[in-house]
Amino acid sequence: GAVVSQHPSWVICKSGTSVKIECRSLDFQATTMFWYRQFPKQSLMLMATSNEGSKATYEQGVEKDKFLINHASLTLSTLTVTSAHPEDSSFYICSARVQARGGNTEAFFGQGTRLTVV
Amino acid sequence: AQSVAQPEDQVNVAEGNPLTVKCTYSVSGNPYLFWYVQYPNRGLQFLLKYITGDNLVKGSYGFEAEFNKSQTSFHLKKPSALVSDSALYFCAVRADTGRRALTFGSGTRLQVQP
Repeated sequence: GAVVSQHPSWVICKSGTSVKIECRSLDFQATTMFWYRQFPKQSLMLMATSNEGSKATYEQGVEKDKFLINHASLTLSTLTVTSAHPEDSSFYICSARVQARGGNTEAFFGQGTRLTVV
Repeated sequence: AQSVAQPEDQVNVAEGNPLTVKCTYSVSGNPYLFWYVQYPNRGLQFLLKYITGDNLVKGSYGFEAEFNKSQTSFHLKKPSALVSDSALYFCAVRADTGRRALTFGSGTRLQVQP
């Protein structure tokens, strides 16, 4: 299957600083990428849909000024957590859609980023 | 709106026995259904999907799932469980039109005992 690479795998940062997470599609072009957040022992919650060359679409309740998403190319989307606070500590996972045969699309996921804000 | 229900937080099964992880869904339009597996501190790995065609879908690692339209279910099954199957399993759905992001169930932890 298609490969989605997410970097870094884990990061610890001080409260008030910003952290950038990268999501790359390695062997395909992704016009759309999705960013999810997962709290311990909970499911994935969609944060935003990232569209190449345009503004991201944020889910209700997600602060767009806090979680900056940039999708500057067909293989890279970035999520920047600005002025991070301990409550932002979570597991962040990106996903990219790839066009499959017959026009259907399926999503492949990065390995996730564990963010800990201290 | 679309939603997924995984009624069991945890499923315990002995190695070699068959396993079932339950999933029911709600979506407007035709459903695209997926199963993913997650190991600790890792992203999701795709297991299988139903888009159209045969109701019984075969996927990776010997897993299969049966789409039942009347019961709006997509239960994950495996004839003989392995200890290495122990992980967190997520069912997901999206409609064939409109919103493209997946909606995930709450996850079911599968524990296979030796």
